[in-house]
Amino acid sequence: SQQGEEDPQALSIQEGENATMNCSYKTSINNLQWYRQNSGRGLVHLILIRSNEREKHSGRLRVTLDTSKKSSSLLITASRAADTASYFCATRDSGAGSYQLTFGKGTKLSVIP
Amino acid sequence: GAVVSQHPSWVICKSGTSVKIECRSLDFQATTMFWYRQFPKQSLMLMATSNEGSKATYEQGVEKDKFLINHASLTLSTLTVTSAHPEDSSFYICSDFGGNGTQYFGPGTRLTVL
Repeated sequence: SQQGEEDPQALSIQEGENATMNCSYKTSINNLQWYRQNSGRGLVHLILIRSNEREKHSGRLRVTLDTSKKSSSLLITASRAADTASYFCATRDSGAGSYQLTFGKGTKLSVIP
Repeated sequence: GAVVSQHPSWVICKSGTSVKIECRSLDFQATTMFWYRQFPKQSLMLMATSNEGSKATYEQGVEKDKFLINHASLTLSTLTVTSAHPEDSSFYICSDFGGNGTQYFGPGTRLTVL
């Protein structure tokens, strides 16, 4: 079932600007992951942040996690036209033996050259 | 990261026919694989969890007799859409479970039923 809610649903920015996407969820989680999907393609794993972590960096990506608010944000700095894609957060519940992912609805990012 | 392949990448079929989609985990043995469906401009919805050597676990609302899943080896899971209808047209994506908390996704298969 869908539990993640990303906002905004769509975001359009100029190349070089930063893009921030937010994700909220409802259950207790083991970890939260961000994925990118180019139109009509499969998903590319970007970053995983565990429930005991608050912030994580990977290149131009910065992810934060606030378990008290059940929310996460993905920041892409110095955006490029190639960053144009849909971005999804996905959560893994903290229940024993739970390893399936529940995806949010996604944010469609357009970076204008 | 792990590499997952799917075949075919796209398929067009007539209503009433069956279509088989293959998902291969190329660089490690995956006892668990997942099948997702994605309608246009929507998110991924988990259909079923495929377990090597045992029956698949289906999500609520997914017909197990319509979406047959076979996971006969540690590197291959198949999804067969039986008696496909236009409403089954969608993007089907598989993933394997890397054991480190990360899932690696295949490139997807676009099914169009006429």
